[in-house]
Order: sequence, then structure tokens, then C-alpha cells
Amino acid sequence: EVKLVESGGGLVQPGGSLRLSCAASGFTFSGFWMSWVRQGPGKGLEFVANIKQDGSEKYYVDSVKGRFTISRDNAENSLYLQMNSLRAEDTAVYYCAMGGASHGQFAYWGQGTLVTVSS
Amino acid sequence: DIQMTQSPSSLSASVGDRVTITCRASQSISRYLNWYQQKPGKAPKLLIYATSSLQSGVPSRFSGSGSGTDFTLTISSLQPEDFATYYCQESYSTPRTFGQGTKLEIK
Repeated sequence: EVKLVESGGGLVQPGGSLRLSCAASGFTFSGFWMSWVRQGPGKGLEFVANIKQDGSEKYYVDSVKGRFTISRDNAENSLYLQMNSLRAEDTAVYYCAMGGASHGQFAYWGQGTLVTVSS
Repeated sequence: DIQMTQSPSSLSASVGDRVTITCRASQSISRYLNWYQQKPGKAPKLLIYATSSLQSGVPSRFSGSGSGTDFTLTISSLQPEDFATYYCQESYSTPRTFGQGTKLEIK
């Protein structure tokens, strides 16, 4: 059974930093693109970033470029999102998702972790 | 970026109804279109990928069609568990843009 478990969310002040983690199990983690997708309160889904199997390609939505960094550790079956210079508009539930390759789909999702940016 | 527009934004229907949700892309995305279902407080769930392929375990009352810029998700006979919000998503380019969602409510 595919399982994705996010952690690391919480309350942070504007301008602060947070690192999200996603622990994967039930599939060959190193064989899949992985992604982060977020959902603001009462809003729709927004792609944040994705990363190729070996970490050699990474893509970001424009609004987080230069502030967020996606990474992975295939030995630990883990996906990460380092978030710096956080803004109020980054407040959202952040989902880890399996997939996100070009022409692919987000096949499985974690339960999400809430990030709140507020003073 | 490609823009994805869903219609309607909300829809009221009854158990047993046939329901169709439409998704339009701002440019051609071939058949790289996926559909997700999300219930309140839960993560999205993949229903259909590549326009018409049913994800494993998804009931056959769900179907998808289209190509280019116009796509549809059809639920042939609504069940109580189908009342949720539905999102389309293109996987033709980066960012992988989602539609704004269609909330399906009980009439």
C-alpha cells in the first residue's frame, strides 16, 4: 500500500523558514517523480514544485521560485520542501504527491500538513 | 502558463442523476488531462488520468472524454459518496495547473 506522510508544518512568522518532510513507503520511491501541491484555506489546488527521480530536474511555480527548494533522499525514501522568506499567502495545507512527471498524474497523495504564516 | 477553467463552479444534483463537469484549457493539451475528487478535510484522490483512463479502484460510473482544449468528467448515476469537489488538472506543461474546482452538492 502506497503511503505518504507529511510533517513539519506549523505556525511561522512572515519572513521565517520551515522545512516540510514527506516519508514514503509502499512503492519504489526512487522510481518516481515527486511533487508538492498546496491548498490555501477555502481555495483550490496549486502545484508548488516537483523533482525528478534522481533529483536532476526540479520545477517550481513562479510564486515560490527563489524562496522554496524541493529535494529528496532516495536512500531514506523522503521528500523535502525547504521554505524560506515565507509570506502570508503561503498559508496552506501542503500535500506530498507521488508523480508529477511531464504528461503524468498525481497518483497518490499524503494527508497534508498545515503551514500558517502569521505574526 | 496554461489556464484551466471548469464549469459549473457548483452543481446540485440528486442520487441517481447523470452529471457532467466540463474543463477547458487555454491552449491545446492533447489528452494530458486528469481528474481528482476531494472530500472535505481529505486529500485529493485521482479518479481519471490521460483524459479517459480510470485509476485502479475507481468505480466505472466515472468516465472522462475530450481532447485538445475541451474535456468532460461524467458520473453516470450519482451515489451518496460522490458528493465532493472535483478538480481537473493538465499535465502538458509546468506548472501543472488545476481548474478552480466544481462542488457537487446534494439537491
